[in-house]
Amino acid sequence: GAVVSQHPSWVICKSGTSVKIECRSLDFQATTMFWYRQFPKQSLMLMATSNEGSKATYEQGVEKDKFLINHASLTLSTLTVTSAHPEDSSFYICSARENTGGEQYFGPGTRLTVT
Amino acid sequence: EDQVTQSPEALRLQEGESSSLNCSYTVSGLRGLFWYRQDPGKGPEFLFTLYSAGEEKEKERLKATLTKKESFLHITAPKPEDSATYLCAVQPSNDYKLSFGAGTTVTVRA
Repeated sequence: GAVVSQHPSWVICKSGTSVKIECRSLDFQATTMFWYRQFPKQSLMLMATSNEGSKATYEQGVEKDKFLINHASLTLSTLTVTSAHPEDSSFYICSARENTGGEQYFGPGTRLTVT
Repeated sequence: EDQVTQSPEALRLQEGESSSLNCSYTVSGLRGLFWYRQDPGKGPEFLFTLYSAGEEKEKERLKATLTKKESFLHITAPKPEDSATYLCAVQPSNDYKLSFGAGTTVTVRA
């Protein structure tokens, strides 16, 4: 149980284009989902907290207009990287919290490369 | 601000050589301390949640313990498949966000 999927697993895009990443909880409902990014050999940095049906809460220093988050249902959250630039290249990972506990279950991650 | 410090940064073990990883933390009220395992290019895999000092949890060759200031992840008789980065994270009592440490990368040689 507690499986989270992400799509796509990797994506290459040109500078200036937008990319959407999907995060789904497959066997549970997730009121809250989280988006992280991870640079090589570094730990996870929380970007934003996504609550179903409401606006996302962004961490300090994260541009909300650049990283658009939508949490339209209890099993799906999306992250759109708008007008991507090479410095946005990173490993993006989502997690989902079951409604009854504090544990977060992570997706497999999405490798974004902006050329 | 919640802080998590993991040590050592890297650990190289011979198969069967037991060892411990440390996670020291400061948090404004602890809801839970979490251990995850992360393989290269993958998302973290949940291992344990610890809620209060004195609590212990075990899974196969792994055992996690918790005090008021730190947590230990003990690896008993490790195998090469235990090679991974082990991440520690804390969750404050007033939120569900996780603050992660930098991780300990464990390499087990056959």
